[in-house]
Amino acid sequence: ILNVEQSPQSLHVQEGDSTNFTCSFPSSNFYALHWYRWETAKSPEALFVMTLNGDEKKKGRISATLNTKEGYSYLYIKGSQPEDSATYLCASLPSGGYNKLIFGAGTRLAVHP
Amino acid sequence: GAVVSQHPSRVICKSGTSVKIECRSLDFQATTMFWYRQFPKKSLMLMATSNEGSKATYEQGVEKDKFLINHASLTLSTLTVTSAHPEDSSFYICSALRQGETQYFGPGTRLLVL
Repeated sequence: ILNVEQSPQSLHVQEGDSTNFTCSFPSSNFYALHWYRWETAKSPEALFVMTLNGDEKKKGRISATLNTKEGYSYLYIKGSQPEDSATYLCASLPSGGYNKLIFGAGTRLAVHP
Repeated sequence: GAVVSQHPSRVICKSGTSVKIECRSLDFQATTMFWYRQFPKKSLMLMATSNEGSKATYEQGVEKDKFLINHASLTLSTLTVTSAHPEDSSFYICSALRQGETQYFGPGTRLLVL
């Protein structure tokens, strides 16, 4: 994998459903993986920065896991709420990358009441 | 989290004019800021790295004379789109690096060149 890829591109779920989506990134020269939540007309909000293989981080109902050997990260949302509706971005930071993040195109989540 | 502002949020200009976009870190100092451009349904694409007190570093394919970047203080970076043309219409967003943490983003600027 040369680029950062996110799937699915968009997702519609009902309130209360749990959901997850995927970020795939180059596993070579990996340093860190960043997740952001981006609501319309607002600034992207930093969720997690993950560096170690097997890392798992949690913030409220949102959690993320990291597999650096195979180059993927999963983001999970438990019991989705309408306020979780946003675009979720992941970005890879290669080692020696001068802090330059390489972004995926995002997963657009819509949670319906 | 840290706060980054960006101004203006949207701007419409005539072809041939220049437009300046400001990016400010409000509650921390940032020696490094970044400017991105986003096309519809595409990833944020890094345009340049803005370094306080020195010249910006541009990504391959980004015209430095077209997109002028000035990082004159630890809290302000500006992007000037010079002699704008319709193909420059896009969404521009900045971020500020808080050392040891992550990049904190502004809300972005939507530019429309008529």
